[in-house]
Amino acid sequence: DQQVKQNSPSLSVQEGRISILNCDYTNSMFDYFLWYKKYPAEGPTFLISISSIKDKNEDGRFTVFLNKSAKHLSLHIVPSQPGDSAVYFCAASYTGNQFYFGTGTSLTVIP
Amino acid sequence: EAQVTQNPRYLITVTGKKLTVTCSQNMNHEYMSWYRQDPGLGLRQIYYSMNVEVTDKGDVPEGYKVSRKEKRNFPLILESPSPNQTSLYFCASSLLSGSWNEQFFGPGTRLTVL
Repeated sequence: DQQVKQNSPSLSVQEGRISILNCDYTNSMFDYFLWYKKYPAEGPTFLISISSIKDKNEDGRFTVFLNKSAKHLSLHIVPSQPGDSAVYFCAASYTGNQFYFGTGTSLTVIP
Repeated sequence: EAQVTQNPRYLITVTGKKLTVTCSQNMNHEYMSWYRQDPGLGLRQIYYSMNVEVTDKGDVPEGYKVSRKEKRNFPLILESPSPNQTSLYFCASSLLSGSWNEQFFGPGTRLTVL
């Protein structure tokens, strides 16, 4: 049973606009959430994370929002750039050793 | 260059023929892990290791074995591969165990079991 879900397989956004990628989870014990970005033929690379004690974390153009009551997190990319075109995975953990990933959202930023 | 390397990058094999996918990191990381990526299922954790000689099961360990005899290496062993183990495999490492430690991933190994 998928404990972390990304319900949008793909997303297209114009360059310069905001990209919003969503992630839902079912396990209320998750206490840390991470986003990874993956280009074709490469391994995922870490992008940004958030602890469950926070509701927002920002790093440059990337902001992650956490809504614990809704068991929902989102990644905002502003402004979107063509180089942001990739597959984005959200992940969650509560043990610090086991990680649960979503199915990924393929983002295309159109120049 | 700090990196996680995997070998081979591509492998086609037949059912039942034992194989090993190697993983090595040069960052002196304590934590290492294996994942498989399948369409519609995302990344799923197979096994992880918090340190030398300490390994534990992830979400989908059936049909796999691992060992951690040295800090830098974490091989994934398929004793008797089956077609349902056809997948893209990633090894990852992080400085320490703990959710806040970002994982560094290898480039992936695409395995096909006929």
